[in-house]
Amino acid sequence: ILNVEQSPQSLHVQEGDSTNFTCSFPSSNFYALHWYRWETAKSPEALFVMTLNGDEKKKGRISATLNTKEGYSYLYIKGSQPEDSATYLCAFPSNTGNQFYFGTGTSLTVIP
Amino acid sequence: KAGVTQTPRYLIKTRGQQVTLSCSPISGHRSVSWYQQTPGQGLQFLFEYFSETQRNKGNFPGRFSGRQFSNSRSEMNVSTLELGDSALYLCASSYNAPNEQFFGPGTRLTVL
Repeated sequence: ILNVEQSPQSLHVQEGDSTNFTCSFPSSNFYALHWYRWETAKSPEALFVMTLNGDEKKKGRISATLNTKEGYSYLYIKGSQPEDSATYLCAFPSNTGNQFYFGTGTSLTVIP
Repeated sequence: KAGVTQTPRYLIKTRGQQVTLSCSPISGHRSVSWYQQTPGQGLQFLFEYFSETQRNKGNFPGRFSGRQFSNSRSEMNVSTLELGDSALYLCASSYNAPNEQFFGPGTRLTVL
């Protein structure tokens, strides 16, 4: 069983604030790192699939970085909006690629 | 294209009964994974199927089983239900792991 940790567990920010969260994963046998957003009453939705050390991906106001050597990824949200309120999950596939280990997520609430 | 569908969406059963949940992946996707989410827990991997073969199984008792049909639709079965099996069960499909996964809306199982 691989340990994938996310911090903080929850976060409340004001609209317009920028924020970031962390996902820590085993640095050995790295395969890929996935980020998902899970809004209440909806299905988890893929944000990014990151595979290379130093990768930086961006989608609108959301971006993510990856450090495979030290085993962490950061997710950044610039100028948070109420619609960004969701749980953000990271997932680490096993070295066979077909078993995913999810963190417990960071619950973000953006206060208007 | 149509997303991942799961049926039923809600289910109430009593202890000792068995239940079968169904998942229809996105057309063309051959990998289907199943996850369990209980309060306070992250998504726990149950199993993954690809081309009708179970490639990986998570740390769950033998009461949890699954299968995949030739059209990639998948079912999971839980026998001799226990109160602790009450959870949200999600399935996710992809072309092949570890590509990004597309999640269904989930089945909320309540065991009384």
